[in-house]
Amino acid sequence: ETGVTQSPTHLIKTRGQQVTLRCSSQSGHNTVSWYQQALGQGPQFIFQYYREEENGRGNFPPRFSGLQFPNYSSELNVNALELDDSALYLCASRVGPMNTEAFFGQGTRLTVV
Amino acid sequence: GENVEQHPSTLSVQEGDSAVIKCTYSDSASNYFPWYKQELGKRPQLIIDIRSNVGEKKDQRIAVTLNKTAKHFSLHITETQPEDSAVYFCAASKLGDYKLSFGAGTTVTVRA
Repeated sequence: ETGVTQSPTHLIKTRGQQVTLRCSSQSGHNTVSWYQQALGQGPQFIFQYYREEENGRGNFPPRFSGLQFPNYSSELNVNALELDDSALYLCASRVGPMNTEAFFGQGTRLTVV
Repeated sequence: GENVEQHPSTLSVQEGDSAVIKCTYSDSASNYFPWYKQELGKRPQLIIDIRSNVGEKKDQRIAVTLNKTAKHFSLHITETQPEDSAVYFCAASKLGDYKLSFGAGTTVTVRA
């Protein structure tokens, strides 16, 4: 059984650019959530995907968007990057939306300059 | 929305002593309370969790207690070891809303 994997591990982008982060869910998991973790803070919920549809969203602007694919892997897209978007982006997968236990990937460290 | 507060922000203990981290939550509908450990540069890992129908849960040196009336829950680590040094996060979620609301984290340092 494979764990949650994310790519890339580190990324540097310029303000105003767009970025795509990727997440492969753990085997058997069909639900993926994305979190933003600023330095020294707890993760903040961005959104969740279940069976290729967004079924929950946190307090993030529309320039944060996502996708989930038939194999349950997921992408997080951020447009018009701002300096404050610099953070660790974590994805977490679950067995299903009714299961509460979430398993996290190692994260993508995004730096916006 | 749910607001989770976590205290203290930093905790330094002597090896072998106990460590206690406390969290409060605001939404009485929350019914699932996990604790995550995050070592430097690594992913958050679930170490223990508790549901609202249980008041206490223990796993070896780690225990969690929940007081639903007061809306607070705590993590207890006994006989601390250097490998317990990490950042610990509490979180809360409720049935039908699977987002986790995290506390700000506690940096635990175990002194040898």
